[in-house]
Amino acid sequence: AQSVTQPDIHITVSEGASLELRCNYSYGATPYLFWYVQSPGQGLQLLLKYFSGDTLVQGIKGFEAEFKRSQSSFNLRKPSVHWSDAAEYFCAAFYNQGGKLIFGQGTELSVKP
Amino acid sequence: GAGVSQSPSNKVTEKGKDVELRCDPISGHTALYWYRQSLGQGLEFLIYFQGNSAPDKSGLPSDRFSAERTGGSVSTLTIQRTQQEDSAVYLCASSSLGLAGWTDTQYFGPGTRLTVL
Repeated sequence: AQSVTQPDIHITVSEGASLELRCNYSYGATPYLFWYVQSPGQGLQLLLKYFSGDTLVQGIKGFEAEFKRSQSSFNLRKPSVHWSDAAEYFCAAFYNQGGKLIFGQGTELSVKP
Repeated sequence: GAGVSQSPSNKVTEKGKDVELRCDPISGHTALYWYRQSLGQGLEFLIYFQGNSAPDKSGLPSDRFSAERTGGSVSTLTIQRTQQEDSAVYLCASSSLGLAGWTDTQYFGPGTRLTVL
């Protein structure tokens, strides 16, 4: 079955430190991959997406993600975290079956001063 | 419009009552999706519209849930005889058709928080 896994439920990092949020997908074919961010009480905002081509994808707010087919991973990174990055982050995959997004469980990011 | 809008933003209802949630997609987007976000279940797909037809209703949890889309634009999600387990945030998203019929990036609305007492 199609699934997306985010192994880390909650991560705390210090402001200015680097960040990596993990995401793994499972299926035979490579899906389209997305990272969304959700601030408290808000909807989902798209950070970046991977469809094909260059495996390192740049997004908004200084985020990037790297697609690694051999590891079925699409990890999100940021070199220096800001306090305003505290939010919940969702990895999602879209397969060519009906258009629905399959979401990971989400990773809640806390930023300490 | 500039983004996906949903109304109401909050809805409190009593168990057994019917509720209607509305989604207004981005202008020109042909695909529309409903998802539900709850504490125990995360983000779950409910239903997908392409134009006015719904090729995938597989996520609707019971026959109390229904949705329609008219004029290829606004969609309404209806929950009949609400139960406490229906309490959740209901998110709507829209996208435009990409190449070869594949749908493209989904843009989400702010959601409707439903509380069933």
